[in-house]
Amino acid sequence: DVKVTQSSRYLVKRTGEKVFLECVQDMDHENMFWYRQDPGLGLRLIYFSYDVKMKEKGDIPEGYSVSREKKERFSLILESASTNQTSMYLCASSPDRREGRPNTEAFFGQGTRLTVV
Amino acid sequence: AQKITQTQPGMFVQEKEAVTLDCTYDTSDQSYGLFWYKQPSSGEMIFLIYQGSYDEQNATEGRYSLNFQKARKSANLVISASQLGDSAMYFCAMREGPGGYQKVTFGIGTKLQVIP
Repeated sequence: DVKVTQSSRYLVKRTGEKVFLECVQDMDHENMFWYRQDPGLGLRLIYFSYDVKMKEKGDIPEGYSVSREKKERFSLILESASTNQTSMYLCASSPDRREGRPNTEAFFGQGTRLTVV
Repeated sequence: AQKITQTQPGMFVQEKEAVTLDCTYDTSDQSYGLFWYKQPSSGEMIFLIYQGSYDEQNATEGRYSLNFQKARKSANLVISASQLGDSAMYFCAMREGPGGYQKVTFGIGTKLQVIP
């Protein structure tokens, strides 16, 4: 079974702190994603990565950065946490499309509920 | 502009009835993929069904089918014979990008409640 593991289920941080959210996948997937989920707004893409050391901004990258030093690990960094970053954060991974395998559904971690006080 | 639009914030359906959840998308790519996910109250994201842009037939997976109308850029999910366990949030998503570069964006979701 594919496993995507996020380091924390719940996290409480103070305003201004630097926050690291870690995500590890064990299926050798090329692609990894960070989303935040807020009621009424669905899942919004923060950053994604299609290879080691490669990263692309998603739709709401402001206030966040990412790191992908190893294929299996994708970290989301809140440089200076603010209360409007209180949210559920979801990490996902997916394989590349290949001949005979066009379907590349994303597999999700359990989520990290971050509260910034 | 929204890439994925789900216009039904909430839907009710009677148990054993069929229900259609709407999804429209916007892309200039020729090759793309469309997905539906289910998120029950437990929070996990469960993959349901996939449709590739070049697939000529509508995708089906058990009680789930995807009504793909390419010209209208719609990818509606049809759930047949609804069950109480189908009560959940449902998200439509789209994968864009060539080759190994994949951007996957989601809609805001539809909350489905199945009534006994």
